[in-house]
Formats: sequence, C-alpha cells, structure tokens
Amino acid sequence: DGGITQSPKYLFRKEGQNVTLSCEQNLNHDAMYWYRQDPGQGLRLIYYSQIVNDFQKGDIAEGYSVSREKKESFPLTVTSAQKNPTAFYLCASSILGNQPQHFGDGTRLSIL
Amino acid sequence: KNEVEQSPQNLTAQEGEFITINCSYSVGISALHWLQQHPGGGIVSLFMLSSGKKKHGRLIATINIQEKHSSLHITASHPRDSAVYICAVYKGGSEKLVFGKGTKLTVNP
Repeated sequence: DGGITQSPKYLFRKEGQNVTLSCEQNLNHDAMYWYRQDPGQGLRLIYYSQIVNDFQKGDIAEGYSVSREKKESFPLTVTSAQKNPTAFYLCASSILGNQPQHFGDGTRLSIL
Repeated sequence: KNEVEQSPQNLTAQEGEFITINCSYSVGISALHWLQQHPGGGIVSLFMLSSGKKKHGRLIATINIQEKHSSLHITASHPRDSAVYICAVYKGGSEKLVFGKGTKLTVNP
C-alpha cells in the first residue's frame, strides 16, 4: 500500500546535538512538507518542496534544514540552533495544485 | 487574529448524537481541507472541497464561499469518532495550507 513513513516515532536529543527525522513516501507525489505541532496550536509549516533539489522555507524555518535529493525522501534536520525543539513533527505529501495532503504518523522529539 | 478559526475548541457528545464542527476563514481560498487526527498523532484526510457539499459514510462537509464558512457534520456519532478535527485552507494562489487549531471531539458510549 502507498503511504508516508516517518521514523523514528520517538526521538530524544541532547543539548547541542543535531538530529535528523526521516520521511519517505511511495505515492509518487511531487510536493512534500514538514510541519511542527505544539499543544494548543495549529500545524505550522517548517519547509516544503515541490520538486527534487528544490525547497522553500515555511513560516518557522529557523533552526531547521532539509534536503530533497530524491523524489521519495525529504529528511528534516533539527539543528542545535533550534532552541525549543520539543514538539510533534509531521511530514506530508501531495500532488501539486492544491490537492489533499497525505500525512505520516509523526515523530515526537524531546530534549534530554 | 488567526486566518482560520474553528469552533468549538472542545466538544463532548453521547453516542448517537449529531455533531457539527465549524470553520471560518478570513482570506480568499482555492480549497478547504478537513482532517482527522487520532490520539496517536496520525492525521487522515477526510475531505477537500471548494464548493457545495461532500458526503462519505456518516461524515458530511459543506462550504459556503460567500460567507467564508465550512461545517463538518457527523451523523450517529460513535466513540471511535473521538479525535481532533482540523480545518485547513489553501489561500488563493498558494501551495501552502493554513491550519486551524483543531476541535477535540469526545464521544461517550
């Protein structure tokens, strides 16, 4: 079955450490997105990509980096510059053109 | 003020009740998306609509473009419908979704 796979489900980061969250899709979607969810807030866009080797900053890109070397993969790195990284991170993908987005099951990141 | 507002924030119902969740937005949109987030965190797409009404099983979504308002209805609610329901819009000319804060629904047996 086609879908989006995020790993790991839970991740712990030490102070000053970079961590990478994985997102893989086999839906053949061109567009991929990373969102952050905090309690009591709506999802906020971190980065998005509409084509391989290209990506754009979202509303809260500071302290994060991404790459899009393959259509299927859109990993997110939470760098040590992100001072408040504890959150739930969701990856999504869609066909281009305001189509429904399909979401992964998320990664919960916590600081040790 | 948020561009997408949902009401109510929390909703508790008895099994079998008819549920309505509201979404109002203040910007021009090309489409509106209703999503369901389960307690474990995973999100499922329910509907995407730009006009009129859509129905899937016990779920019905409507949108009034002139009034900038959408509703999600659940008929004959069941405890398995307990989840957070999220409204999101594609602003006109944008490939990015803007999300409401969600409505937490609890259906008691």
